[in-house]
Amino acid sequence: GQQVMQIPQYQHVQEGEDFTTYCNSSTTLSNIQWYKQRPGGHPVFLIQLVKSGEVKKQKRLTFQFGEAKKNSSLHITATQTTDVGTYFCAGYFPDSGAGSYQLTFGKGTKLSVIP
Amino acid sequence: GAGVSQSPRYKVTKRGQDVALRCDPISGHVSLYWYRQALGQGPEFLTYFNYEAQQDKSGLPNDRFSAERPEGSISTLTIQRTEQRDSAMYRCASSSHAGLAGVSYEQYFGPGTRLTVT
Repeated sequence: GQQVMQIPQYQHVQEGEDFTTYCNSSTTLSNIQWYKQRPGGHPVFLIQLVKSGEVKKQKRLTFQFGEAKKNSSLHITATQTTDVGTYFCAGYFPDSGAGSYQLTFGKGTKLSVIP
Repeated sequence: GAGVSQSPRYKVTKRGQDVALRCDPISGHVSLYWYRQALGQGPEFLTYFNYEAQQDKSGLPNDRFSAERPEGSISTLTIQRTEQRDSAMYRCASSSHAGLAGVSYEQYFGPGTRLTVT
């Protein structure tokens, strides 16, 4: 089936260091979404990328969608303790019949920030 | 405003029993999704509704799982003859737009129902 691979699985950083998580698909995506899940919480939508090569920024967060629409990344500059949580990418694949409505989540990258 | 709510928040049941999990989406949201999330994993798609129509149920693991949304609002996920492998967090999400094949919109997740089958 269609899968979205996400690396790394875990990342421990000192507060103030940068953090990046990567998401890869073997097939072209229609678009990709990113979610953040705090410990004990539920996934919260961060952003959606649709266009090839798209780059979007939200304060210290920078999101990129690859030219081939097969990969994406989330980069956090100067991490803070409030950034702690698991970051998921979720890929949406082009219309392919059954399963076309599925948002396929990666396994997530769990970020720990050491104060 | 109120977000997505789910009930019960926790459910412990004995193997072989049926369970019904409820989702109350954000008012006015036309799309509703059910996911299952194992510990340390991302949400896994189960099924999807636009209004009252079940558009995609390809993620339901087997025929013990079913879902309905009869009036296009509240939805119920039913698991019959529960098994220990059904233990997981079941999450509901809603979206303001009617999803189209290959076109996605922001999803708002509920707090989930933690199901434990003993």
